[in-house]
Amino acid sequence: EAGVTQSPTHLIKTRGQQATLRCSPISGHTSVYWYQQALGLGLQFLLWYDEGEERNRGNFPPRFSGRQFPNYSSELNVNALELEDSALYLCASSDWTGADTEAFFGQGTRLTVV
Amino acid sequence: GQQVMQIPQYQHVQEGEDFTTYCNSSTTLSNIQWYKQRPGGHPVFLIQLVKSGEVKKQKRLTFQFGEAKKNSSLHITATQTTDVGTYFCAGPSNTNAGKSTFGDGTTLTVKP
Repeated sequence: EAGVTQSPTHLIKTRGQQATLRCSPISGHTSVYWYQQALGLGLQFLLWYDEGEERNRGNFPPRFSGRQFPNYSSELNVNALELEDSALYLCASSDWTGADTEAFFGQGTRLTVV
Repeated sequence: GQQVMQIPQYQHVQEGEDFTTYCNSSTTLSNIQWYKQRPGGHPVFLIQLVKSGEVKKQKRLTFQFGEAKKNSSLHITATQTTDVGTYFCAGPSNTNAGKSTFGDGTTLTVKP
């Protein structure tokens, strides 16, 4: 069974541009989570989508947005890129039906803003 | 808001020595999860603890959930070079559905 897949693996953008990151969850999983992992730092929760709706978001500005498609894949969009947006962006999926379900992570997209 | 803290931030050990990382939450957790992230890799789920005082073992790894369900520990016996990586604990928010709060992780290096 395929795991969580993310694309692209690496992405280089200039300041002010927009970045789009994609995630395909494990088959059967309806929940997708996005995390930002800046160099040397922990995982910061960004967004949670379930059944096509945004269920929760972390403490990030509105220029971080996303959506979930009917097939449960998801996009993360970052507008007006800033240098400090450079980080590894991880997507995870689960078949969340409550609070007690583990998440499976993708390999991540390494975003570099220059 | 809810905070999940891990100590130590870094741990350097000689191969064969034991290693322990501690996770403390500012709020009671319904469960706690542990992940391992190898250098350059992505986090991989290790285990989930649900019951108060629960202890689970995976080979040389022992996971414990505190009685008050606010703290947890991961202990590795006789570390090996394959244990290198960053170990994260994560707890779901009791008030913020779907949100898990991760600790900042403990990075383990093992000297052969």
